[in-house]
Amino acid sequence: DAKTTQPTSMDCAEGRAANLPCNHSTISGNEYVYWYRQIHSQGPQYIIHGLKNNETNEMASLIITEDRKSSTLILPHATLRDTAVYYCIVRVGGGSEKLVFGKGTKLTVNP
Amino acid sequence: DTAVSQTPKYLVTQMGNDKSIKCEQNLGHDTMYWYKQDSKKFLKIMFSYNNKELIINETVPNRFSPKSPDKAHLNLHINSLELGDSAVYFCASSQGVGANVLTFGAGSRLTVL
Repeated sequence: DAKTTQPTSMDCAEGRAANLPCNHSTISGNEYVYWYRQIHSQGPQYIIHGLKNNETNEMASLIITEDRKSSTLILPHATLRDTAVYYCIVRVGGGSEKLVFGKGTKLTVNP
Repeated sequence: DTAVSQTPKYLVTQMGNDKSIKCEQNLGHDTMYWYKQDSKKFLKIMFSYNNKELIINETVPNRFSPKSPDKAHLNLHINSLELGDSAVYFCASSQGVGANVLTFGAGSRLTVL
């Protein structure tokens, strides 16, 4: 069962930052926050993950609140190609626990 | 140069038939997975193999039999296909059972008539 809550859908203007929220109020101390996305007719794609510090890579930034009960994925300059379903997942890092996908957020980037 | 490749991409068949979907990864990973995405878009894990050994079996019906001849391949054979088996099946791989990053294939859409 997914341990996260995300909005069903969001819209963003092309070129603007897309901020995707995720609530994970029951997260345990050893659980990481992972983000994947699925572009239409493609397989899921890993984006980023973090434990408690903010993280940034070439795709996105991940901001985790101090109490770790929520996080935000930021796509700094959204493009039309970023239109996808974005999944926020919590999971013990390095453990044998399987990756469980929830319903995700359908992000639509508009021209 | 496809990292995780699945064949066929599309498969249409009749109820009761037996079919297979093949998966190969060239990433040198030691763990492979099969996920099923149904019409409601829920993505659920079915199986996981590590170095050809079954690690996860999510109470999938016995009609589904994964086979891993080596750690670069994980094939999915389905017997006596039912309407409810219609879905998109995704293969994935990772380095290590508890890996953070899974690399997914493009999916195989199975339609059972």
